[in-house]
Amino acid sequence: QQQVKQSPQSLIVQKGGISIINCAYENTAFDYFPWYQQFPGKGPALLIAIRPDVSEKKEGRFTISFNKSAKQFSLHIMDSQPGDSATYFCAASRSNFGNEKLTFGTGTRLTIIP
Amino acid sequence: KAGVTQTPRYLIKTRGQQVTLSCSPISGHRSVSWYQQTPGQGLQFLFEYFSETQRNKGNFPGRFSGRQFSNSRSEMNVSTLELGDSALYLCASSLIITGNTGELFFGEGSRLTVL
Repeated sequence: QQQVKQSPQSLIVQKGGISIINCAYENTAFDYFPWYQQFPGKGPALLIAIRPDVSEKKEGRFTISFNKSAKQFSLHIMDSQPGDSATYFCAASRSNFGNEKLTFGTGTRLTIIP
Repeated sequence: KAGVTQTPRYLIKTRGQQVTLSCSPISGHRSVSWYQQTPGQGLQFLFEYFSETQRNKGNFPGRFSGRQFSNSRSEMNVSTLELGDSALYLCASSLIITGNTGELFFGEGSRLTVL
């Protein structure tokens, strides 16, 4: 049972444009929503994360928008650069002790073209 | 500060064999998780250890097992390998703070190919 659905599977954006990746979750007990960035040959690395007490979090060019009622969250990359080309995974977990395992989306391969 | 170290990075096995993968977490991290990454299934949670105890287990058959040592280093074992076990196996460590999900720091993975 896939509990976190991610779209699109792949995305091509022109340099300087906005990249948007969407995720939807089913388990209302989830209260921690991170995004991970993975380059070829590397493990995933945390990019930005949000908790449901806020609707938006911004770190540099990266913004998470969170809609608790719709059970959806999205990653926006502003002024997309070729160096942002990577695979992005959304994830969700519960933060009570002993339940911190992450459920990942299936990933989005982002390509930024010059 | 050294990151998460996984060994070996690459290995090739044949069906029916068994394999052991090793993970050294970031110093001070007591939680170690294992994930399987495949093109079709993405990142799937295998299990998580904290202070030598398995706290969580994903939906994998009993052929997949793991353990954690007193120094927080962890190993996972897959017995009776099948072709479908070919994957990138990722280890992640975390500084668990009660009531607050800690960031997962991933290693570069062990790429297993089963022939």
